Amino acid sequence: GEDVEQSLFLSVREGDSSVINCTYTDSSSTYLYWYKQEPGAGLQLLTYIFSNMDMKQDQRLTVLLNKKDKHLSLRIADTQTGDSAIYFCAEIGDKIIFGKGTRLHILP
Amino acid sequence: DTEVTQTPKHLVMGMTNKKSLKCEQHMGHRAMYWYKQKAKKPPELMFVYSYEKLSINESVPSRFSPECPNSSLLNLHLHALQPEDSALYLCASSQEGPGLNYGYTFGSGTRLTVV
Repeated sequence: GEDVEQSLFLSVREGDSSVINCTYTDSSSTYLYWYKQEPGAGLQLLTYIFSNMDMKQDQRLTVLLNKKDKHLSLRIADTQTGDSAIYFCAEIGDKIIFGKGTRLHILP
Repeated sequence: DTEVTQTPKHLVMGMTNKKSLKCEQHMGHRAMYWYKQKAKKPPELMFVYSYEKLSINESVPSRFSPECPNSSLLNLHLHALQPEDSALYLCASSQEGPGLNYGYTFGSGTRLTVV
């Protein structure tokens, strides 16, 4: 069935790297996305990766894709207090399927 | 303009009221979506309009009635809602219809409270 799995909570010290993991099910998904949702706000597209790529880097964000294991990760370098949010992994096939979201909590 | 604009941002309505949520985009996107998001849950798809025609209705109760007057506007008409319908309602758009793997742009949402 369709399911995108994420751990629900991650706590990281300010300045450290955050790594948010996701597993997806549809091997035919061409694009995989990471969305950020701050409290009370809509979803903001952070980054995406094509399925024929292994890695994509965009400033502090690094996305790694292991297509064999259907595993996607988002690394945030030098985590800041403004990174505190829920991060949704999503795969897009016939429709967009979201993971349950990982709440990133920043420790001082 | 690269945004999806939703109005109002907050709405409180009684169970006998009729209200509408509005969504607008000027990116030339031909698919528009309504999602419902309860607290601490991922968004759930409600409706999809593709080229101004309703293409997906995810078995949403008839008290929610979508409308797409033109390619830039999407409305969600609300009538006789229940308190459990209180949620964040998100509008999204994409360049083409579902199944073509284009990125979705989301609005900031309307926070709806039914009393």
